Amino acid sequence: QLQLQESGPGLVKPSETLSLTCTVSGGSISSDNNYWGWIRQPPGKGLEWIGSIFYKGSTHYNPSLRSRVTISVDTSKNQFSLKLSSVTAADTAVFYCARASRYNDAFDIWGQGTLVTVSS
Amino acid sequence: QSALTQPPSASGSPGQSVTISCTGTSSDVGSYNYVSWYQQHPGKAPKLMIYEVSKRPSGVPDRFSSSKSGNTASLTVSGLQAEDEADYHCSSYAGSNNYVFGGGTKVTVL
Repeated sequence: QLQLQESGPGLVKPSETLSLTCTVSGGSISSDNNYWGWIRQPPGKGLEWIGSIFYKGSTHYNPSLRSRVTISVDTSKNQFSLKLSSVTAADTAVFYCARASRYNDAFDIWGQGTLVTVSS
Repeated sequence: QSALTQPPSASGSPGQSVTISCTGTSSDVGSYNYVSWYQQHPGKAPKLMIYEVSKRPSGVPDRFSSSKSGNTASLTVSGLQAEDEADYHCSSYAGSNNYVFGGGTKVTVL
């Protein structure tokens, strides 16, 4: 079955750029029925949608993060990636990648999540 | 866009029911039937429990039900079981390909 796995550094210094990759296995990222998203969860807090991408490259970002976020896709590797620039301690969170249906806008498959700490 | 509003906690005894509210605005919950609910156990990824306000994915027990009225959606867990103790998050489409989540509600089975 389809699985998602986040990967990337667990520690990022303030003002630097956080970079994560989500690898999709057991299925193709090039699906007309789905798009792919990043969601984060600060310790002890709720979920926050960061942004989403369709395999053809169209992206949508949370307005509050738009100036600092870039999401890209590599269909040849079945991966999509997140870059968040100028990070501060407030960006410390568990980052999840997830699949959503284009027809019901629900995230139905999630990666296990990866904790990224922003600290010097 | 602002986060949807959920109560921080809710509780019930085994076998009882618990209802969690999720309040948004006329720009998100009130305008679209794309409200979802997620269950999250400690240290685990969220799991989709409800989509399109009231539909359950395959494998989700029918003890989980949801509805919407105006700007507020509600999730009800009937016949509470120990394994239902978890955090529950709501989410809504907010227009212009944007999505918003709630702050989460911790459900305790007494």
